[in-house]
Amino acid sequence: DQQVKQNSPSLSVQEGRISILNCDYTNSMFDYFLWYKKYPAEGPTFLISISSIKDKNEDGRFTVFLNKSAKHLSLHIVPSQPGDSAVYFCAARPGAQKLVFGQGTRLTINP
Amino acid sequence: DTGVSQDPRHKITKRGQNVTFRCDPISEHNRLYWYRQTLGQGPEFLTYFQNEAQLEKSRLLSDRFSAERPKGSFSTLEIQRTEQGDSAMYLCASSLEGSERPYEQYFGPGTRLTVT
Repeated sequence: DQQVKQNSPSLSVQEGRISILNCDYTNSMFDYFLWYKKYPAEGPTFLISISSIKDKNEDGRFTVFLNKSAKHLSLHIVPSQPGDSAVYFCAARPGAQKLVFGQGTRLTINP
Repeated sequence: DTGVSQDPRHKITKRGQNVTFRCDPISEHNRLYWYRQTLGQGPEFLTYFQNEAQLEKSRLLSDRFSAERPKGSFSTLEIQRTEQGDSAMYLCASSLEGSERPYEQYFGPGTRLTVT
């Protein structure tokens, strides 16, 4: 069963605008959520995390929002830059040490 | 560079051969994880170590797979009698238990395995 889902395989955004990447989950026992960015032929790079007891965390251009009642989180990137073009993965920790990942969303920033 | 390193970056092998991959975590990190990623999917958890102890194994880790972390530093992942379905990117990550954010895992560049 896919406990973490990213339903949009791809997203295209104009440079300078806001990028919003979405993630849904089913397991209410997840205690932390993380976003990773991945370039081709590289490993995932950690971006930002949020505890399940928070509803927002911000780090520079990146903000993660958590809606526990809807079991939904989103990553906002503003303003979007060409270097942000990558595959973004949402991940969640089910109280144990492993992470459960979504399928990823490919973000393309157009000049 | 003090990030997670993996060796080799690419491995092509014939079906039935054994392969071994190495991971060197961030030096002070006491937890080490192995994941596998196939095309179009997110990474899937295989196993993790705290220091030299292997504490959890996924059901994905068949008996052809074995992982070790003998001195609590680097780790090896061996696949015996490789099958074409083993073709994937094998990712290693590390984290520090006892830090302010122990849930944050940092990944290496991965080893891409192709079984022909």
